[in-house]
Amino acid sequence: DQQVKQNSPSLSVQEGRISILNCDYTNSMFDYFLWYKKYPAEGPTFLISISSIKDKNEDGRFTVFLNKSAKHLSLHIVPSQPGDSAVYFCAANDRNAGNMLTFGGGTRLMVKP
Amino acid sequence: DAGVIQSPRHEVTEMGQEVTLRCKPISGHDYLFWYRQTMMRGLELLIYFNNNVPIDDSGMPEDRFSAKMPNASFSTLKIQPSEPRDSAVYFCASSLTNTYNEQFFGPGTRLTVL
Repeated sequence: DQQVKQNSPSLSVQEGRISILNCDYTNSMFDYFLWYKKYPAEGPTFLISISSIKDKNEDGRFTVFLNKSAKHLSLHIVPSQPGDSAVYFCAANDRNAGNMLTFGGGTRLMVKP
Repeated sequence: DAGVIQSPRHEVTEMGQEVTLRCKPISGHDYLFWYRQTMMRGLELLIYFNNNVPIDDSGMPEDRFSAKMPNASFSTLKIQPSEPRDSAVYFCASSLTNTYNEQFFGPGTRLTVL
């Protein structure tokens, strides 16, 4: 039973355009969400996060939106750059239950020059 | 800081052999996590430690898997005996209690069991 799902295994976007990566979750106890970026042969690296008390968090070209009623979050990258090509994982945490993160299956983003 | 260090980076072994993966977390971090990444299951948590004590090992697939953290700077994940279905990339990650669960990952160990 996957509690965090990324239904798009891959996404291709033209350089300069917006990339939108989506993530859905089922556990209503999740109250903190993170996005990680992973290049080949490297470990995932933290990108951006959002607490459930917010509906938007922005960091430069990266913005995460949270829709609690729909149990949905998305990562927007504007403008997309070829260096953004990587696998993106969303992750969720129930902070009352400890420090465990539950990850989605990942979305491979390809930004074409 | 050198970040999370894992060794070996690649391991090829034959079915039935014992495999030991090693991890050195970031100095001062009090949480350590072991993950496995496969095409079928994505990134799944196997076990995590807090202050060297195992907190949740519900993700460990079978008794063939065991993990230890003898001190704050070292952890091992052992598979004995190994099977071809254990082939995956194994990641170690560490974090601080008060960093809202931002975990820092090592580069991973790619395990191939023939």
